[in-house]
Amino acid sequence: NAGVTQTPKFQVLKTGQSMTLQCAQDMNHEYMSWYRQDPGMGLRLIHYSVGAGITDQGEVPNGYNVSRSTTEDFPLRLLSAAPSQTSVYFCASSWGDYQETQYFGPGTRLLVL
Amino acid sequence: LAKTTQPISMDSYEGQEVNITCSHNNIATNDYITWYQQFPSQGPRFIIQGYKTKVTNEVASLFIPADRKSSTLSLPRVSLSDTAVYYCLVPGRAGKSTFGDGTTLTVKP
Repeated sequence: NAGVTQTPKFQVLKTGQSMTLQCAQDMNHEYMSWYRQDPGMGLRLIHYSVGAGITDQGEVPNGYNVSRSTTEDFPLRLLSAAPSQTSVYFCASSWGDYQETQYFGPGTRLLVL
Repeated sequence: LAKTTQPISMDSYEGQEVNITCSHNNIATNDYITWYQQFPSQGPRFIIQGYKTKVTNEVASLFIPADRKSSTLSLPRVSLSDTAVYYCLVPGRAGKSTFGDGTTLTVKP
């Protein structure tokens, strides 16, 4: 099993550009989440999904959209990138609800100029 | 909202036992406490999870007092490779897990 995979590993954007961060898992997990981590800080929850077709907002959802059309994939879309969105983005998945162990991807480092 | 409080940093030496305490005063009755480890440029990795009393696995032990308002992660005989950030996680409102800023553990030779 590949576990949780994320692409790209690194991306540079200009202010106002849009892009999609990809996340996929091959463990048949129902629960998937997106976090951002700013330098020297902890992880903050952006959006999460409890199953295909179901998404909800986390702590810091503004500027981001998500969809969950399949169990395996949970892409994160930046609609109009801003320098404040410069961060490392982690995707995670787990078997069930939030009490379950989360498995994290390797992260995507995003720089917005 | 079940927020957590941990020391920002801790230093230790190889071979010592390290104890990191996390406060979670507003923990809900059904909440478990989970600890993660994060190395630079990597995603967090699960270490241990518990509900009450003591839990032990091959990596660490977790001590939770009866009131469950705090928990202590114990790492026996740390090595240089244990240098990392350690997060205490308690599920937040409506299933939204909240990571604090974590504890940066530095193990010195």
